[in-house]
Amino acid sequence: DIVMTQTPLSSPVTLGQPASISCRSSQSLVHSDGNTYLSWLHQRPGQPPRLLIYKISNRFSGVPDRFSGSGAGTDFTLKISRVEAEDVGVYYCMQVTQFPYTFGQGTKLEIK
Amino acid sequence: QLQLQESGPGLVKPSETLSLTCTVSGGSISSNYYYWGWIRQPPGKGLEWIGTIYYTGSTYYNSSLKSRVTISVDTSKNQFSLKLSSVTAADTAVYYCSRRAWVSGAVDYWGQGTLVTVSS
Repeated sequence: DIVMTQTPLSSPVTLGQPASISCRSSQSLVHSDGNTYLSWLHQRPGQPPRLLIYKISNRFSGVPDRFSGSGAGTDFTLKISRVEAEDVGVYYCMQVTQFPYTFGQGTKLEIK
Repeated sequence: QLQLQESGPGLVKPSETLSLTCTVSGGSISSNYYYWGWIRQPPGKGLEWIGTIYYTGSTYYNSSLKSRVTISVDTSKNQFSLKLSSVTAADTAVYYCSRRAWVSGAVDYWGQGTLVTVSS
């Protein structure tokens, strides 16, 4: 199984300041079709996860442009350019390149 | 707007079988472009992929659960279902049904989730 490792596990951030979360996979996420199926999800307490980013850097419909994704191979990053109050919660990276699909442990974003 | 809704018992006894159904509305489960699946989250913990089904009935399961999991689809009702046998307290979790888009590879829609507690 591909192990997804996120850092940090907790990130206190000041409103209006940037935030960054890293995700590393135990093997390359490049699929045989040439795509890299790495997504980022956001989960608020009591809510299901919500898709933010797919295939490393593509924002899902309705996702604000303050969210961006980057990376390649085994190293990926989610960046929030200016954190807003609604961004609190837990962020997960997820790979669907190979079965079984796997998730990072989650990074809790909280406001200082 | 696509919606997914889980339904099923919220309490299951140890050693019995957990059964959940996901009803899809606002879109067809028979589309060529989507896979349908189940993901769970134990209270206070992270996410675990259980398995995925295509409308043709092709299934993919997490090997950690494979011997106990069955996912099936009923295209006439626009539903798909999960059965997890021989449950223990470790299977207590919020169970989410979801859709994975074939092109983006992303799990782009999720149900609200349903808490299933395994307890006698």
